[in-house]
Amino acid sequence: NAGVTQTPKFQVLKTGQSMTLQCAQDMNHNSMYWYRQDPGMGLRLIYYSASEGTTDKGEVPNGYNVSRLNKREFSLRLESAAPSQTSVYFCASRAGSTNTEAFFGQGTRLTVV
Amino acid sequence: GESVGLHLPTLSVQEGDNSIINCAYSNSASDYFIWYKQESGKGPQFIIDIRSNMDKRQGQRVTVLLNKTVKHLSLQIAATQPGDSAVYFCAESLNSGGYQKVTFGTGTKLQVIP
Repeated sequence: NAGVTQTPKFQVLKTGQSMTLQCAQDMNHNSMYWYRQDPGMGLRLIYYSASEGTTDKGEVPNGYNVSRLNKREFSLRLESAAPSQTSVYFCASRAGSTNTEAFFGQGTRLTVV
Repeated sequence: GESVGLHLPTLSVQEGDNSIINCAYSNSASDYFIWYKQESGKGPQFIIDIRSNMDKRQGQRVTVLLNKTVKHLSLQIAATQPGDSAVYFCAESLNSGGYQKVTFGTGTKLQVIP
Protein backbone atom coordinates (compact mmCIF):
# COMPACT_ATOMS: atom_id res chain seq x y z
CA ASN A 1 0.00 0.00 0.00
CA ALA A 2 1.84 3.11 -1.25
CA GLY A 3 -0.29 5.70 0.57
CA VAL A 4 0.39 9.19 -0.80
CA THR A 5 2.90 9.47 -3.63
CA GLN A 6 4.40 12.75 -4.80
CA THR A 7 6.51 13.47 -7.84
CA PRO A 8 9.08 14.78 -8.34
CA LYS A 9 11.07 14.59 -5.10
CA PHE A 10 13.41 17.41 -6.07
CA GLN A 11 13.17 20.20 -8.62
CA VAL A 12 15.11 23.33 -9.50
CA LEU A 13 13.34 26.01 -11.52
CA LYS A 14 14.38 29.31 -12.95
CA THR A 15 12.29 32.35 -12.07
CA GLY A 16 9.33 32.53 -14.43
CA GLN A 17 9.28 28.85 -15.34
CA SER A 18 6.19 26.77 -14.75
CA MET A 19 5.76 23.28 -13.42
CA THR A 20 3.21 20.89 -11.98
CA LEU A 21 3.65 18.87 -8.83
CA GLN A 22 1.84 15.57 -8.95
CA CYS A 23 0.15 13.78 -6.06
CA ALA A 24 -1.75 10.51 -5.98
CA GLN A 25 -3.26 8.50 -3.13
CA ASP A 26 -4.46 4.91 -3.17
CA MET A 27 -6.49 4.93 0.04
CA ASN A 28 -9.78 5.97 -1.56
CA HIS A 29 -9.72 9.19 0.45
CA ASN A 30 -12.15 11.95 -0.35
CA SER A 31 -10.10 14.95 0.79
CA MET A 32 -6.70 16.05 -0.47
CA TYR A 33 -4.42 18.93 0.45
CA TRP A 34 -1.32 20.82 -0.60
CA TYR A 35 0.93 22.37 2.05
CA ARG A 36 4.22 24.20 1.96
CA GLN A 37 6.78 23.96 4.72
CA ASP A 38 9.38 26.65 5.27
CA PRO A 39 12.18 26.73 7.90
CA GLY A 40 10.95 27.85 11.29
CA MET A 41 7.34 27.76 10.19
CA GLY A 42 4.64 25.21 10.44
CA LEU A 43 2.89 23.66 7.50
CA ARG A 44 0.76 26.19 5.66
CA LEU A 45 -2.20 25.16 3.57
CA ILE A 46 -2.09 26.26 -0.06
CA TYR A 47 -5.20 24.62 -1.51
CA TYR A 48 -7.46 21.77 -0.62
CA SER A 49 -10.08 19.57 -2.21
CA ALA A 50 -12.72 18.43 0.26
CA SER A 51 -14.10 15.97 -2.27
CA GLU A 52 -13.73 15.06 -5.91
CA GLY A 53 -14.85 17.93 -8.09
CA THR A 54 -14.23 20.69 -5.54
CA THR A 55 -11.21 22.82 -4.72
CA ASP A 56 -10.79 25.73 -2.33
CA LYS A 57 -8.11 28.20 -1.36
CA GLY A 58 -6.18 27.70 1.82
CA GLU A 59 -3.99 30.11 3.75
CA VAL A 60 -1.40 30.91 1.04
CA PRO A 61 -2.93 30.30 -2.44
CA ASN A 62 -1.34 33.17 -4.38
CA GLY A 63 0.87 32.01 -7.23
CA TYR A 64 -0.61 28.50 -7.31
CA ASN A 65 -3.39 26.62 -9.03
CA VAL A 66 -4.71 23.12 -8.42
CA SER A 67 -6.60 20.43 -10.25
CA ARG A 68 -8.45 17.53 -8.69
CA LEU A 69 -8.11 15.28 -11.70
CA ASN A 70 -10.06 12.39 -10.17
CA LYS A 71 -10.50 10.93 -6.70
CA ARG A 72 -6.90 9.70 -6.60
CA GLU A 73 -5.00 12.64 -8.02
CA PHE A 74 -4.53 16.25 -6.95
CA SER A 75 -1.95 18.37 -8.76
CA LEU A 76 -0.39 21.72 -7.85
CA ARG A 77 0.74 24.08 -10.58
CA LEU A 78 3.13 27.01 -10.42
CA GLU A 79 2.46 29.13 -13.51
CA SER A 80 5.40 31.51 -13.08
CA ALA A 81 7.76 30.43 -10.34
CA ALA A 82 9.26 33.00 -7.98
CA PRO A 83 12.12 32.65 -5.48
CA SER A 84 9.57 33.10 -2.67
CA GLN A 85 8.09 29.76 -3.73
CA THR A 86 11.26 27.93 -2.77
CA SER A 87 9.98 25.49 -0.20
CA VAL A 88 9.17 21.88 0.58
CA TYR A 89 5.74 20.96 -0.67
CA PHE A 90 3.64 18.23 0.89
CA CYS A 91 0.53 16.61 -0.40
CA ALA A 92 -1.81 14.98 2.10
CA SER A 93 -5.09 13.14 2.12
CA ARG A 94 -7.81 12.38 4.65
CA ALA A 95 -10.65 9.91 4.48
CA GLY A 96 -13.08 12.80 4.77
CA SER A 97 -12.94 16.51 5.42
CA THR A 98 -14.10 15.96 9.01
CA ASN A 99 -11.40 13.40 9.81
CA THR A 100 -8.38 14.61 11.76
CA GLU A 101 -5.83 12.01 10.65
CA ALA A 102 -4.00 13.12 7.54
CA PHE A 103 -1.59 10.99 5.54
CA PHE A 104 1.31 12.85 3.98
CA GLY A 105 3.53 12.21 1.01
CA GLN A 106 7.31 12.38 1.27
CA GLY A 107 7.47 15.91 -0.06
CA THR A 108 8.88 17.80 -3.05
CA ARG A 109 11.85 20.05 -2.40
CA LEU A 110 11.55 22.95 -4.84
CA THR A 111 14.22 25.58 -5.39
CA VAL A 112 13.52 28.61 -7.56
CA VAL A 113 16.62 30.49 -8.65
CA GLY B 1 -5.17 35.54 13.46
CA GLU B 2 -5.37 32.25 15.29
CA SER B 3 -2.06 30.49 15.83
CA VAL B 4 -0.54 27.41 17.36
CA GLY B 5 2.89 27.68 18.94
CA LEU B 6 5.43 25.71 20.91
CA HIS B 7 7.37 26.68 24.04
CA LEU B 8 10.61 24.80 23.30
CA PRO B 9 12.12 24.61 19.83
CA THR B 10 14.63 21.86 20.79
CA LEU B 11 14.42 19.20 23.46
CA SER B 12 17.26 16.80 24.34
CA VAL B 13 16.37 13.68 26.31
CA GLN B 14 18.37 10.71 27.52
CA GLU B 15 17.33 7.38 26.05
CA GLY B 16 14.93 5.65 28.40
CA ASP B 17 13.71 8.85 30.02
CA ASN B 18 10.27 10.31 29.46
CA SER B 19 9.84 13.25 27.09
CA ILE B 20 7.34 16.05 27.39
CA ILE B 21 6.69 18.32 24.44
CA ASN B 22 4.53 21.37 25.08
CA CYS B 23 2.30 23.47 22.90
CA ALA B 24 0.22 26.58 23.43
CA TYR B 25 -2.84 27.21 21.33
CA SER B 26 -4.97 30.28 20.94
CA ASN B 27 -8.31 29.24 19.51
CA SER B 28 -10.57 28.07 22.31
CA ALA B 29 -13.17 26.99 19.71
CA SER B 30 -10.94 24.26 18.23
CA ASP B 31 -12.60 20.85 18.11
CA TYR B 32 -9.53 18.64 18.09
CA PHE B 33 -5.85 18.88 18.86
CA ILE B 34 -3.41 16.69 17.00
CA TRP B 35 0.21 15.66 17.26
CA TYR B 36 2.35 14.77 14.26
CA LYS B 37 5.89 13.40 14.07
CA GLN B 38 8.18 14.30 11.20
CA GLU B 39 11.42 12.42 10.67
CA SER B 40 14.15 13.95 8.58
CA GLY B 41 13.35 13.85 4.87
CA LYS B 42 9.86 12.49 5.38
CA GLY B 43 6.36 13.82 5.57
CA PRO B 44 4.56 14.30 8.90
CA GLN B 45 3.03 11.20 10.45
CA PHE B 46 -0.09 11.28 12.62
CA ILE B 47 0.55 10.23 16.22
CA ILE B 48 -2.56 10.92 18.24
CA ASP B 49 -5.41 13.37 18.56
CA ILE B 50 -7.62 14.49 21.38
CA ARG B 51 -11.09 15.90 21.24
CA SER B 52 -11.63 19.25 22.92
CA ASN B 53 -14.02 17.76 25.49
CA MET B 54 -11.34 15.42 26.82
CA ASP B 55 -8.44 16.09 29.20
CA LYS B 56 -6.26 13.09 28.49
CA ARG B 57 -5.82 10.42 25.90
CA GLN B 58 -3.34 7.59 25.82
CA GLY B 59 -1.82 5.71 22.94
CA GLN B 60 1.07 3.34 22.63
CA ARG B 61 3.85 4.95 24.74
CA VAL B 62 2.30 8.37 24.22
CA THR B 63 -0.11 10.43 26.27
CA VAL B 64 -1.64 13.72 25.26
CA LEU B 65 -2.88 16.12 27.92
CA LEU B 66 -5.17 19.05 27.24
CA ASN B 67 -5.60 21.93 29.64
CA LYS B 68 -8.28 24.19 28.25
CA THR B 69 -8.05 26.64 31.14
CA VAL B 70 -4.59 27.77 30.08
CA LYS B 71 -4.88 26.64 26.44
CA HIS B 72 -2.03 24.19 26.76
CA LEU B 73 -1.39 20.87 25.08
CA SER B 74 1.38 18.40 25.81
CA LEU B 75 2.67 15.17 24.37
CA GLN B 76 4.35 12.75 26.73
CA ILE B 77 6.50 9.97 25.33
CA ALA B 78 7.37 7.19 27.75
CA ALA B 79 10.78 5.48 27.70
CA THR B 80 12.08 7.60 24.84
CA GLN B 81 13.95 5.67 22.16
CA PRO B 82 16.40 6.79 19.46
CA GLY B 83 13.66 6.22 16.90
CA ASP B 84 11.65 8.95 18.60
CA SER B 85 14.15 11.57 17.40
CA ALA B 86 12.16 13.83 15.09
CA VAL B 87 10.33 17.13 14.89
CA TYR B 88 6.96 17.09 16.60
CA PHE B 89 4.14 19.36 15.52
CA CYS B 90 1.00 20.15 17.36
CA ALA B 91 -2.01 21.26 15.38
CA GLU B 92 -5.48 22.46 16.15
CA SER B 93 -8.52 21.61 14.12
CA LEU B 94 -11.66 23.69 13.85
CA ASN B 95 -14.87 22.62 12.15
CA SER B 96 -15.55 25.33 9.61
CA GLY B 97 -18.66 24.75 7.50
CA GLY B 98 -18.33 20.95 7.64
CA TYR B 99 -14.60 21.06 6.94
CA GLN B 100 -11.88 20.53 9.54
CA LYS B 101 -9.55 23.50 9.21
CA VAL B 102 -6.18 22.45 10.61
CA THR B 103 -3.53 24.94 11.75
CA PHE B 104 -0.04 23.62 12.46
CA GLY B 105 2.50 24.89 14.96
CA THR B 106 6.15 25.51 14.14
CA GLY B 107 7.49 22.27 15.63
CA THR B 108 9.80 21.05 18.39
CA LYS B 109 12.87 19.01 17.62
CA LEU B 110 13.36 16.05 19.94
CA GLN B 111 16.91 14.74 20.21
CA VAL B 112 17.40 11.43 21.98
CA ILE B 113 20.81 10.95 23.53
CA PRO B 114 21.91 7.29 23.49
